[in-house]
Amino acid sequence: DIVMTQGVLPNPVPSGESASITCRSSKSLVYKDGKTYLNWFLQRPGQSPQLLTYWMSTRASGVSDRFSGSGSGTYFTLKISRVRAEDAGVYYCQQVREYPLTFGSGTKLEIK
Amino acid sequence: QVTLKESGPGILQPSQTLSLTCTFSGFSLSTYGMGVGWIRQPSGKGLEWLANIWWDDDKYYNPSLKNRLTISKDTSNNQAFLKITNVDTADTATYYCARIEALGVMDAWGQGASVTVSS
Repeated sequence: DIVMTQGVLPNPVPSGESASITCRSSKSLVYKDGKTYLNWFLQRPGQSPQLLTYWMSTRASGVSDRFSGSGSGTYFTLKISRVRAEDAGVYYCQQVREYPLTFGSGTKLEIK
Repeated sequence: QVTLKESGPGILQPSQTLSLTCTFSGFSLSTYGMGVGWIRQPSGKGLEWLANIWWDDDKYYNPSLKNRLTISKDTSNNQAFLKITNVDTADTATYYCARIEALGVMDAWGQGASVTVSS
């Protein structure tokens, strides 16, 4: 199985600052079609996960351009610019490169 | 507008079979490339993928649950189902279903169904 390892944030992050969440995979997530099969989700307290980005860097419909995904085949970053109170929650990376699909353990973002 | 809603028994006893239903609208599981996945989350913990079913009835399971899972669909009624046999307390969790579009993009999730396994 592909293991997804997420970093920790130095919480709380002051409102208006930027935050970068890291995720590392135990195997390259680049497929032969050239796409990198890495998704990012935000789960706000008491809510279902919400898709933020897919294929490593494509923003989902309706997601603020303050969220941007980047990375290589095995190391990924979700950058949140000008954080707001509504960005608080747990962020998960997920690989969909191969089965079984796996998630990182989550990175909590608190806003000051 | 895409919506999904999970339903289940709420509480069941160890060794019983858990049956979950995902009722959705705004898309069809007969559309090429479309799928539905099941994911669970124990209280206070992370997300665990369980199974996917695709428009062509292709199915994939998490091998960590060792043949206890069965996923199926009813395309005409816009529903997907998940059964987990021989449950125990470790299966206590919130269970989510999600639409899967365009090569693995879980772009819409249900509100989740809470399941408690207790004697």
